Amino acid sequence: KNEVEQSPQNLTAQEGEFITINCSYSVGISALHWLQQHPGGGIVSLFMLSSGKKKHGRLIATINIQEKHSSLHITASHPRDSAVYICAVIQGAQKLVFGQGTRLTINP
Amino acid sequence: NAGVMQNPRHLVRRRGQEARLRCSPMKGHSHVYWYRQLPEEGLKFMVYLQKENIIDESGMPKERFSAEFPKEGPSILRIQQVVRGDSAAYFCASASQGSPQPQHFGDGTRLSIL
Repeated sequence: KNEVEQSPQNLTAQEGEFITINCSYSVGISALHWLQQHPGGGIVSLFMLSSGKKKHGRLIATINIQEKHSSLHITASHPRDSAVYICAVIQGAQKLVFGQGTRLTINP
Repeated sequence: NAGVMQNPRHLVRRRGQEARLRCSPMKGHSHVYWYRQLPEEGLKFMVYLQKENIIDESGMPKERFSAEFPKEGPSILRIQQVVRGDSAAYFCASASQGSPQPQHFGDGTRLSIL
């Protein structure tokens, strides 16, 4: 079993839908990253959080340290949100351990 | 990608050659991380460096791979005698002092081995 599990692995939705991607982890962490990767492209860090909730535009990330669970939400989804979303936990001296990613496709 | 510069973006090597991948961290960042993404697989940690020191190399293959972050200049990931299985995207990230700090990623180097 991976230390970081994401669900779903693939998600297809229509433009405008509310999107939720989940991340569960089994190890002690100091913080958690949500990352975005476009096909053939680089990686962008969307959030780093260690408690509570953060919001940036249409993106919201939450974390529950006791339950070892985090969620990434996208409101009013748009085709340009299509990408792979990756959950990564920070262990020890800032080493990242990654989930397998969630491939999101938003159809117009 | 917030100033982390990786070069080259694409690198093609023949089996047995050497590959050198460079990473210049964001200004003011003293921590550098290298990650590898094999085709159709997730990202995996390789090595964590601070200036002139390797802090954690637990993800580095035992042979042919080495990394450095000299006092002056970029961090270098070096792969000697490359094999087909080294074909991957190699990403560098940097962070500032303190823990935890957000990591900022470069655009990656796509390494192809012929």
